[in-house]
Amino acid sequence: ETGVTQTPRHLVMGMTNKKSLKCEQHLGHNAMYWYKQSAKKPLELMFVYNFKEQTENNSVPSRFSPECPNSSHLFLHLHTLQPEDSALYLCASSQALTGGAEAFFGQGTRLTVV
Amino acid sequence: GENVEQHPSTLSVQEGDSAVIKCTYSDSASNYFPWYKQELGKRPQLIIDIRSNVGEKKDQRIAVTLNKTAKHFSLHITETQPEDSAVYFCAANEDRSGAGSYQLTFGKGTKLSVIP
Repeated sequence: ETGVTQTPRHLVMGMTNKKSLKCEQHLGHNAMYWYKQSAKKPLELMFVYNFKEQTENNSVPSRFSPECPNSSHLFLHLHTLQPEDSALYLCASSQALTGGAEAFFGQGTRLTVV
Repeated sequence: GENVEQHPSTLSVQEGDSAVIKCTYSDSASNYFPWYKQELGKRPQLIIDIRSNVGEKKDQRIAVTLNKTAKHFSLHITETQPEDSAVYFCAANEDRSGAGSYQLTFGKGTKLSVIP
């Protein structure tokens, strides 16, 4: 295990549902990230949090809403998603302020929107 | 923002041969270039990285080279084995917000198949 844990591992939701993805890191890192991985865009950065502050929103639709209550936890709240949002959602963490810092990924949540 | 281009998108080699994957980046301020390997159904994991003050780094069968002037870096895998089959991603860091908080921009990945 790399110290980054994501739950759930698999999620199937309808377009009218509301669900949340959870990420937790035990590495003492100060930055956390959400990535979307699909066949069209293999590793697409969605959000960046640095010391609980959102520093990047990469033009993500508002139906995705991130939350970072502390430097160890990161959530991605989902509502009224579209079938094209089906993808693997990966969380990662790193020591962002050092510049040359390895990003550690979680196992991902495989999301299917029906 | 940073733009990372990766080639080829797929690569097939015979076991024992070498494999080379190339990436270019656009932001001259980028100073950290990692390579990640993602096996089927698993998370991406770092296999090697290089910083801008170094031109080459080697770790057993894996090596990475960096040309800062040309803004390109490459991954070299020698004596390939079937277990090297995976998707490989290059990345470059950038401080997009200007707040001293770095993030990685990834290439689109290369699917490497090593044929026994």
